[in-house]
Amino acid sequence: EVQLLESGGGLVQPGGSLRLSCAASGFSFSNYAMSWVRQAPGKGLEWVASVSGSASNTFFADSVKGRFTISRDNSNDTLFLQMNSLRAEDTAVYYCAKRPVYSNNWYYFGSWGQGTLVTVSS
Amino acid sequence: QSALTQPPSASGSPGQSVTISCTGTSSDIGGYNYVSWYQQHPGKAPKFMIYEVSKRPSGVPDRFSGSKSGNTASLTVSGLQAEDEADYYCSSYGGSNNLVFGGGTKLTVL
Repeated sequence: EVQLLESGGGLVQPGGSLRLSCAASGFSFSNYAMSWVRQAPGKGLEWVASVSGSASNTFFADSVKGRFTISRDNSNDTLFLQMNSLRAEDTAVYYCAKRPVYSNNWYYFGSWGQGTLVTVSS
Repeated sequence: QSALTQPPSASGSPGQSVTISCTGTSSDIGGYNYVSWYQQHPGKAPKFMIYEVSKRPSGVPDRFSGSKSGNTASLTVSGLQAEDEADYYCSSYGGSNNLVFGGGTKLTVL
């Protein structure tokens, strides 16, 4: 069974940094593109970033480009999101998501974690 | 890139069919057959329901179907059941390694 467990969320001041982690299990982690999708309180979904299985390709939404970095440790089946220069509008639940089995495209999210809340406030 | 446009709400009675629209542009929905749909119950993570416009992942009931015409994609839920009450989000590949979501539609089963 696929399991994705996010951690690292919390309260951070504007301009600060935070690193999210997503521990994966139940599948061959290095074979799958992984992504972060966020949801501001009471709002809709917003794609944040994605990384290929080998980590050779990364993709970012314009809203986070230059501030966020996505990476992965395939030896330890863990996905990361390094968030710098945080703004109030980055406040959201951040979900870790996995490419589905039956599509090689990174822009589908077949399995999701339960999310971790990031609050940017002074 | 702008978000896709969905109606904020939709509703239907048990057993009826309801269709949720998702409107984009020729740069996203109209340009690619890479539309997907997600269902989200309150306080829960989203669930993958439809991909490549009309394909259903394993385990998704065939009451859920997807389609596309021009710059608009649609999700139809037939034979509405109480458990279908949820928020639904569309998304589309937008080219240049970009992905865009719709604002979401709250489906109410009357």
